[in-house]
Amino acid sequence: AQSVTQPDIHITVSEGASLELRCNYSYGATPYLFWYVQSPGQGLQLLLKYFSGDTLVQGIKGFEAEFKRSQSSFNLRKPSVHWSDAAEYFCAVGAEAGSYQLTFGKGTKLSVIP
Amino acid sequence: KAGVTQTPRYLIKTRGQQVTLSCSPISGHRSVSWYQQTPGQGLQFLFEYFSETQRNKGNFPGRFSGRQFSNSRSEMNVSTLELGDSALYLCASSFDRDYGYTFGSGTRLTVV
Repeated sequence: AQSVTQPDIHITVSEGASLELRCNYSYGATPYLFWYVQSPGQGLQLLLKYFSGDTLVQGIKGFEAEFKRSQSSFNLRKPSVHWSDAAEYFCAVGAEAGSYQLTFGKGTKLSVIP
Repeated sequence: KAGVTQTPRYLIKTRGQQVTLSCSPISGHRSVSWYQQTPGQGLQFLFEYFSETQRNKGNFPGRFSGRQFSNSRSEMNVSTLELGDSALYLCASSFDRDYGYTFGSGTRLTVV
């Protein structure tokens, strides 16, 4: 069965600093990978997705992620964090053939110091 | 373009009651999925519907059920509510998984 691990429960960065959120997945073939962001009391907003092709994916709000098959990772990055990026970030995998089910990681809460 | 609409936004129910939540997907999206989000278990998949047929079901008891109508709108029902059913219930719609999944703002259910 597919699974997702986000090793960092909580990360604090200073505004303007770079950010990397880690995500490791477990699946035999090439997965469908997603990063979502959730603000308190809100739903999930899609930041970016990877299905195939170029392993460096650009998303909204200046985020990017890199798919590394050898490491089973799909880490999210941003070169300069803004205070408005404070939220919870979820990595998800959708891999089973014919399935539209997403399996989510536990999430990483990002705090930004002004 | 309207997003995924979930109603109501908030609900308070008593143990033993039943509840029905509604989800209107983005126009043209045929797939609707439901997720339960709790602090302890995180985001867990409930079920997914496509063209009025349930294609996938998560590991939840039979008290959790759903359906999809011909206009792709979906409802989920929870019967005999338990305190542990208190959660944020999220609906997501998709045209095709290559295009990703768009989530609604959720329904916050509190069982007292």
